[in-house]
Amino acid sequence: EVQLVESGGDLVQPGGSLRLSCAASGFTFSSYWMHWVRQAPGKGLVWVSHVNSDGSSTSYADSVKGRFTISRDNAKNTLYLQMNSLRAEDTAVYYCAAQSSSRVFWGQGTLVTVSS
Amino acid sequence: QLVLTQSPSASASLGASVKLTCTLSSGHSSYAIAWHQQQPEKGPRYLMKLNSDGSHSKGDGIPDRFSGSRSGAERYLTISSLQSEDEADYYCQTWGTGLGVFGGGTKLTVL
Repeated sequence: EVQLVESGGDLVQPGGSLRLSCAASGFTFSSYWMHWVRQAPGKGLVWVSHVNSDGSSTSYADSVKGRFTISRDNAKNTLYLQMNSLRAEDTAVYYCAAQSSSRVFWGQGTLVTVSS
Repeated sequence: QLVLTQSPSASASLGASVKLTCTLSSGHSSYAIAWHQQQPEKGPRYLMKLNSDGSHSKGDGIPDRFSGSRSGAERYLTISSLQSEDEADYYCQTWGTGLGVFGGGTKLTVL
């Protein structure tokens, strides 16, 4: 059974940092591109960042560029998102997603709240 | 600029069919897209990838009631024999040079 389990979401003050993790199982993690996607309360899905299968290439939405860093550990089947300089507008449920040429797997999400 | 445009809402009766539309921005009409479903209070679920040649690859367990098609820059998701559990938000998504893009989503109401 394919599973993507996000963790690390929390309440954090503006300007703070947080590290999200996404543990993968049930598929060949090292063969999939990985994404972080977020959803603010009552809003739609927004793509945040991507990393290719071996971790050599990454990309970011303009809204998080320079503040967030995506990485992966294929030996541990785990995806990460380091989030620095957090702002109120970063408040959202963060989902990880695994993408191949013909399918996408989604996690259940982890909530990040940025508030003083 | 790569943009996906979706109507904010749609509605159809139980047992009927509905066709949702996702429009690719100018210059991007050959792009493949994916359709995702998000039921209330749940995470997204992958429905299918719709390729530029009209072929599609569905996710595991997706019923035959869900199908995809295309015409020019428009990509369609057709749901037939609507059921109450089909009431959800539907998002199209694609991938450009170095960035991912989602449409704004269509909220489907089953009457």
